[in-house]
Amino acid sequence: SQQGEEDPQALSIQEGENATMNCSYKTSINNLQWYRQNSGRGLVHLILIRSNEREKHSGRLRVTLDTSKKSSSLLITASRAADTASYFCATAPPGGSQGNLIFGKGTKLSVKP
Amino acid sequence: DADVTQTPRNRITKTGKRIMLECSQTKGHDRMYWYRQDPGLGLRLIYYSFDVKDINKGEISDGYSVSRQAQAKFSLSLESAIPNQTALYFCATTSGNWGDTQYFGPGTRLTVL
Repeated sequence: SQQGEEDPQALSIQEGENATMNCSYKTSINNLQWYRQNSGRGLVHLILIRSNEREKHSGRLRVTLDTSKKSSSLLITASRAADTASYFCATAPPGGSQGNLIFGKGTKLSVKP
Repeated sequence: DADVTQTPRNRITKTGKRIMLECSQTKGHDRMYWYRQDPGLGLRLIYYSFDVKDINKGEISDGYSVSRQAQAKFSLSLESAIPNQTALYFCATTSGNWGDTQYFGPGTRLTVL
């Protein structure tokens, strides 16, 4: 069963704008990760936030985590056409096997030049 | 060279045929995974392995089998392929430590006619 649900399913913006994607999950987590997938390619890890963290930055990426609401958001600032991809959140439940992740269905981001 | 490789990258086969998808990794990790991706459904776990002697079913293992030939190699077989197994298949590996990420292969696009 899938744990994370991304919102929106699809997002289209202009280059230079910020893109915000949200992820909601159902059970408690050890950590939450965001991955990026270019069309038809393998997933690439972007950023990980632990359950005791509220915000994390990496370059133009900002991730927040609200464990009380069981939600996370990924913000991409000053987007570029090269950011066009699908973005997935993945959760690591504390009761599950270490290393196993449960992926959401993804948000498809299109950045127009 | 890529950390996780998959062969073949594309395969078209007919209903009833036996198919094997292969995965190799050079990360030196013990844990390996096979996922299936369908449009709009995200990634679903088929099988995972914690070491050569430890194989576990995932969410959608029916119709699939796996073999862990070595720490670095994990194969997925479709004993008798059917059209609804048409999908994008990904292999991944991780150390299994809390907070580690999964490293994905480039994927195999399988079409069953």
